Amino acid sequence: GESVGLHLPTLSVQEGDNSIINCAYSNSASDYFIWYKQESGKGPQFIIDIRSNMDKRQGQRVTVLLNKTVKHLSLQIAATQPGDSAVYFCAESANDYKLSFGAGTTVTVRA
Amino acid sequence: NAGVTQTPKFQVLKTGQSMTLQCAQDMNHEYMSWYRQDPGMGLRLIHYSVGAGITDQGEVPNGYNVSRSTTEDFPLRLLSAAPSQTSVYFCASSPGALLYEQYFGPGTRLTVT
Repeated sequence: GESVGLHLPTLSVQEGDNSIINCAYSNSASDYFIWYKQESGKGPQFIIDIRSNMDKRQGQRVTVLLNKTVKHLSLQIAATQPGDSAVYFCAESANDYKLSFGAGTTVTVRA
Repeated sequence: NAGVTQTPKFQVLKTGQSMTLQCAQDMNHEYMSWYRQDPGMGLRLIHYSVGAGITDQGEVPNGYNVSRSTTEDFPLRLLSAAPSQTSVYFCASSPGALLYEQYFGPGTRLTVT
């Protein structure tokens, strides 16, 4: 699979490969994290979330990993498909009311 | 259910004009919020509400007002539009009074000239 070590704005991945999108967060008090997918011209769509008392959570074809020691979050997408092409945002919250978004990573899937 | 609806989809304003962006949801969600998204950036929280009659400021509230008279509606008002408010605006709602699993509307693209 292809991965981004630090946050980079774009990621190109071959169809069928695994993708890893990274996100660094800044607030050590954040205890709730979410990944959103945004397709062109649409609003963000919830993918998966994780609480700070967990370090891994799995969904359908997606896995979120949380490393609180280095304040790092990643989203793994298995067997990337053309429909996965979108901008992916991580977001964090420290108080359950306000969400702070990262800058986003544009994922392009090559056929 | 229609989910979260926003009107209008597009709007052009002149500097100094006022307008209201409409947001409605039919899911009986308590938590609603407004974000703006500028090119190449993530969303920034403008205002949020945890229920009818309760609103609070987000990260970038200046220049915007909100009210929440009903559970369904959460309008965003620009009292005197400025070019810096050119952006795409998203409304979102979530079940309960917290922000988990927010459902986003389709957005309103606003241009201030």
